[in-house]
Amino acid sequence: GENVEQHPSTLSVQEGDSAVIKCTYSDSASNYFPWYKQELGKRPQLIIDIRSNVGEKKDQRIAVTLNKTAKHFSLHITETQPEDSAVYFCAASKDDYKLSFGAGTTVTVRA
Amino acid sequence: DGGITQSPKYLFRKEGQNVTLSCEQNLNHDAMYWYRQDPGQGLRLIYYSQIVNDFQKGDIAEGYSVSREKKESFPLTVTSAQKNPTAFYLCASSIGKGEAFFGQGTRLTVV
Repeated sequence: GENVEQHPSTLSVQEGDSAVIKCTYSDSASNYFPWYKQELGKRPQLIIDIRSNVGEKKDQRIAVTLNKTAKHFSLHITETQPEDSAVYFCAASKDDYKLSFGAGTTVTVRA
Repeated sequence: DGGITQSPKYLFRKEGQNVTLSCEQNLNHDAMYWYRQDPGQGLRLIYYSQIVNDFQKGDIAEGYSVSREKKESFPLTVTSAQKNPTAFYLCASSIGKGEAFFGQGTRLTVV
């Protein structure tokens, strides 16, 4: 089955700096790559996703890039704010139903 | 309000007892999922259902069972065969293409 690896496991950044989280996947048939944010004590929520026919997607301060050849995708958060502190999960799927998640990255934004 | 509801939020059971976790959605989603979340391991798929009266095993189905008799409901039973049942369980639903909506989760503790 699909194996998704996510790095780093923890990330501490100064407010205003950028944060980058990287994921690799094993199944070249995967074509859907969502990112979820889970704040402490809350449910995971989708923040951005990308499909394999697109190389990059942006939504305000967040962006995701996809390199199909290398089988990796990344989440970029610019101008980080305290409310960006959370656990972020990447995921991959080849059928839109069965998502395989990474282990998560705990992001802490220091004021 | 539309949404996905899990109950109860906290559940305690004695070792050797079966326990059923409830998941209900009024989003009219065809697909529903059960994930298990353990520290440092991300979300692992237990079972998923693409349509009523049909479901498939995920990556860690051993010791669990599900049913999908109604579109709105997807209960998960943690059986005594599950060797390490203490965990945080998340239910989700989707239309099958794109975003999965998560419930608030049930924290199960087996003593």
